[in-house]
Amino acid sequence: EEQLLESGGTLVQPGGSLRLSCAASGFTFSSHDMNWVRQAPGKGLEWVSSFRASDGTTYYPDSVKGRFTISRDNSKNMVYLQMNSLRAEDTAVYYCGKSLIVALGTGPFDIWGQGTMVTVSS
Amino acid sequence: EIVLTQSPATLSLSPGERATLSCRASQSISNYLAWYQQKPGQSPSLLIYDASNRATGIPARFSGSGSGTDFTLTISSLEPEDFAVYYCQQRNHWPITFGQGTRLEIK
Repeated sequence: EEQLLESGGTLVQPGGSLRLSCAASGFTFSSHDMNWVRQAPGKGLEWVSSFRASDGTTYYPDSVKGRFTISRDNSKNMVYLQMNSLRAEDTAVYYCGKSLIVALGTGPFDIWGQGTMVTVSS
Repeated sequence: EIVLTQSPATLSLSPGERATLSCRASQSISNYLAWYQQKPGQSPSLLIYDASNRATGIPARFSGSGSGTDFTLTISSLEPEDFAVYYCQQRNHWPITFGQGTRLEIK
């Protein structure tokens, strides 16, 4: 069974840093693009980052560019999200998502983790 | 950035009825549109990708259509477990974007 399990969410002060982890199992991890998506309390989904398996290219929206960094360790089947200079508006449940392999671009997210809560507050 | 606008915001229907959800893109995204379902307290799950392809294990009552800027998710006959929030997502242009969601509630 394909699974993702996030960890690392906690309460952090504004301006602080945090690293989220996502452990993958049940599929050939190195072959798939991996992603992070967040959801603020009571709000919709917001894409946060992607890591292309084919060439290691990473992508971010402007809202986190320069503050967040996605990385992966294919030997451990792990993907990470390093979050720096955290703001109150980064408060959300953070989901790890696996992309389907598709012919063009990064695929839709067919497997999601259960999420980990990040709260940025003093 | 491509903006996805979903309508209606809330849809009230009864089990057995047909549901039609809309997603409109601010510019053409070819057929690179996915639909997700999210139930309260759960992670989203993929229903449809590339506009019309059902994901693994998704029942045939779910279907998707459209291309370019206008897309539709249809649930042919609502089951009690279908009442949830539905999001569309485009992957044609970076940044990946989601619609704001349609809440499908029991009438």
